[in-house]
Amino acid sequence: GNSVTQMEGPVTLSEEAFLTINCTYTATGYPSLFWYVQYPGEGLQLLLKATKADDKGSNKGFEATYRKETTSFHLEKGSVQVSDSAVYFCALTYTGNQFYFGTGTSLTVIP
Amino acid sequence: DGGITQSPKYLFRKEGQNVTLSCEQNLNHDAMYWYRQDPGQGLRLIYYSQIVNDFQKGDIAEGYSVSREKKESFPLTVTSAQKNPTAFYLCASSIAGGSYGYTFGSGTRLTVV
Repeated sequence: GNSVTQMEGPVTLSEEAFLTINCTYTATGYPSLFWYVQYPGEGLQLLLKATKADDKGSNKGFEATYRKETTSFHLEKGSVQVSDSAVYFCALTYTGNQFYFGTGTSLTVIP
Repeated sequence: DGGITQSPKYLFRKEGQNVTLSCEQNLNHDAMYWYRQDPGQGLRLIYYSQIVNDFQKGDIAEGYSVSREKKESFPLTVTSAQKNPTAFYLCASSIAGGSYGYTFGSGTRLTVV
């Protein structure tokens, strides 16, 4: 079946630290991959996406590369800010009718 | 501004009562979705609709019902048959197919008292 596995949180970093949130997936074909971000009490916002192998999605300093050989889509940012504190969700879809979400990774950035 | 609006933000329900959560979008999106979010479990799909007057069950449809009489609206009813309704409910919409990603509402937190 299809599933997404994210590293467990919570993750706590100091401002300007390097961020990696691991995401691996199980899929029978070639899905599109997404990262969403959720701020407290809010819905999810699309952060970035990649639709085929070796594509790199990027937005607001965040990046993730679609790695078919390792079935991974790790989220990275070179220098985090306090405003990046949120919950991050990795997700995949084939047709868009159903997304498969990871359980989310909570990030707290301290000044 | 185009967007997707969920109301109310907080909702309290007595056991045994049905309650309806509102979801309205003005993005001209064809598809709409309802997800349930519980701590540590990610998001789970309840129902989705690709066109007006048509909808399909997701993974956890039992105890829920929906309607899609207008393109802009996709209300979710949590019935008394839902055994554990306390959760955060998220509505989303997308262009047909959804492979470009969803636009989410800000959610409704339902608490059964």
